[in-house]
Amino acid sequence: DTGVSQDPRHKITKRGQNVTFRCDPISEHNRLYWYRQTLGQGPEFLTYFQNEAQLEKSRLLSDRFSAERPKGSFSTLEIQRTEQGDSAMYLCASSSQYGYTFGSGTRLTVV
Amino acid sequence: GEDVEQSLFLSVREGDSSVINCTYTDSSSTYLYWYKQEPGAGLQLLTYIFSNMDMKQDQRLTVLLNKKDKHLSLRIADTQTGDSAIYFCAETAGTALIFGKGTTLSVSS
Repeated sequence: DTGVSQDPRHKITKRGQNVTFRCDPISEHNRLYWYRQTLGQGPEFLTYFQNEAQLEKSRLLSDRFSAERPKGSFSTLEIQRTEQGDSAMYLCASSSQYGYTFGSGTRLTVV
Repeated sequence: GEDVEQSLFLSVREGDSSVINCTYTDSSSTYLYWYKQEPGAGLQLLTYIFSNMDMKQDQRLTVLLNKKDKHLSLRIADTQTGDSAIYFCAETAGTALIFGKGTTLSVSS
């Protein structure tokens, strides 16, 4: 286990389609985070899991977004009815106590 | 609310020192972080400092923290072309990290 893995690395989708991203955190980390990063900006917090419980959601997470972490291991982030404004890099991170480790991200392009 | 501010660009010559500055707002932040992002890649943790420290040195990196002014800086000694990247300052806000917009460091040879 060498780090946080995200799949796919790139996704191009048509507006209105649904997309799902996967994140595999570092196995001993019980905290998992999703962030979104748009061009020229720093990452913005979306949501946070402690084990399988989703404990915090940002106001950026509209009702078209849903995240799960069913067994407290990997997590998925689904975006329904994608819009062009959803085009961004979606970053996953995990942590134990401090020192977040980020994955390489999934770059979503909505056309 | 929480906010982190950084200057957007810094240009230095190879071998010089680089100093990237950051101001933050949340005085309750326990840790403050510096991350590096290369084009098309995720974020790499460079270093962090605990809020009760004033300075931390790690090889070519020196972090200075002024809690009174809520000012954080990252000094890179002997800057190399491989240091060219975007550098993000981040503060903790509860369980999440709040990032600045990043400082693009350009190193010319």
